Amino acid sequence: ILNVEQSPQSLHVQEGDSTNFTCSFPSSNFYALHWYRWETAKSPEALFVMTLNGDEKKKGRISATLNTKEGYSYLYIKGSQPEDSATYLCAFNAGNMLTFGGGTRLMVKP
Amino acid sequence: NAGVMQNPRHLVRRRGQEARLRCSPMKGHSHVYWYRQLPEEGLKFMVYLQKENIIDESGMPKERFSAEFPKEGPSILRIQQVVRGDSAAYFCASSPQQKTDTQYFGPGTRLTVL
Repeated sequence: ILNVEQSPQSLHVQEGDSTNFTCSFPSSNFYALHWYRWETAKSPEALFVMTLNGDEKKKGRISATLNTKEGYSYLYIKGSQPEDSATYLCAFNAGNMLTFGGGTRLMVKP
Repeated sequence: NAGVMQNPRHLVRRRGQEARLRCSPMKGHSHVYWYRQLPEEGLKFMVYLQKENIIDESGMPKERFSAEFPKEGPSILRIQQVVRGDSAAYFCASSPQQKTDTQYFGPGTRLTVL
């Protein structure tokens, strides 16, 4: 059974704050690490797919880093906005399936 | 390019009935995945299919659940003789290829068993 852990479980920040969350995953049988943004009643939205140790990806104010040797990835949001409020999921790809973490629920107060 | 389509969005069944959930992948995608989210839990993998083939069904319950992805038409997840514990949100995802490609998710079907 693969163990994918995310922390914190939830996070409240003020508009304009920068924040980051952690995803830890097994360091063996690694194909890719995926990040998704999931708003209530919508589909999970793909943010990044990361495959190489040391990968850094950026999309607007959101960026992510990857360390496959130690089994962790960080997601950063710079200057949080209320529309960033969502659950952020990471998922470990070991081949045929994604194993999801429990998510970090971010709430940004105006 | 339409995204992944799932229907119905909401499905209510009584215990013992059958539930059929449909998923149309994105255009050009030949790989389909089904995930389930039980109440208060995260997304869990159920099955991975390519056209006419089940590639990995390691997450599927052994009884009452089946999935197919025919040559023509949508992928179907079928649950026979539903029980209350089957109440969950069922999500379908598709990708152009397997392994490291992004999986694009549909909006899900919320199944309620009375």
